[in-house]
Amino acid sequence: GAVVSQHPSWVICKSGTSVKIECRSLDFQATTMFWYRQFPKQSLMLMATSNEGSKATYEQGVEKDKFLINHASLTLSTLTVTSAHPEDSSFYICSARSSGFDADTQYFGPGTRLTVL
Amino acid sequence: GQNIDQPTEMTATEGAIVQINCTYQTSGFNGLFWYQQHAGEAPTFLSYNVLDGLEEKGRFSSFLSRSKGYSYLLLKELQMKDSASYLCAALDSNYQLIWGAGTKLIIKP
Repeated sequence: GAVVSQHPSWVICKSGTSVKIECRSLDFQATTMFWYRQFPKQSLMLMATSNEGSKATYEQGVEKDKFLINHASLTLSTLTVTSAHPEDSSFYICSARSSGFDADTQYFGPGTRLTVL
Repeated sequence: GQNIDQPTEMTATEGAIVQINCTYQTSGFNGLFWYQQHAGEAPTFLSYNVLDGLEEKGRFSSFLSRSKGYSYLLLKELQMKDSASYLCAALDSNYQLIWGAGTKLIIKP
């Protein structure tokens, strides 16, 4: 149980394009999903917290107009990196927290490696 | 402020035991997590402690002392595949995870 998937696993895009990353909880309902980014050899940095059916809460310094988050259902959240630039290249990881069992535990997706040329 | 401290790197020998310490200072406390992260992969959940004491799960055990703001992860019978970063994270009063920078564990034959 507690499986979280992410798609795509990796993506290469040109500067100025937009990229959408999907995060799905496969076998549980996730009332809350989190989006992190991680640069090489650094710890996770929380970007935003999204609750199903409401607007995401962004951490300080994260541009909400650049990183669009939609949490339309209890099993799906999406992160869209708009007008991506090379400095947006990073490892993006989502996690999901269940409303039921292990309610405080975050389970992570496998991550999406974004490279912007 | 909120802060998590853990060693940057540790080295141990295959078959041995290693203890990775973590101290935390958070606004409120709702539990302490340990995650394992192999290079290039996302973290995987190892343990969650909210009460004082030792929780054992196979070769891995996690300990918590709330009064001391201290936790450790104990890995026994080390295997080469245990080479990874181990992330300590505390859940604060808003149920947000405060992450440590991670401890890179190197296992030598």
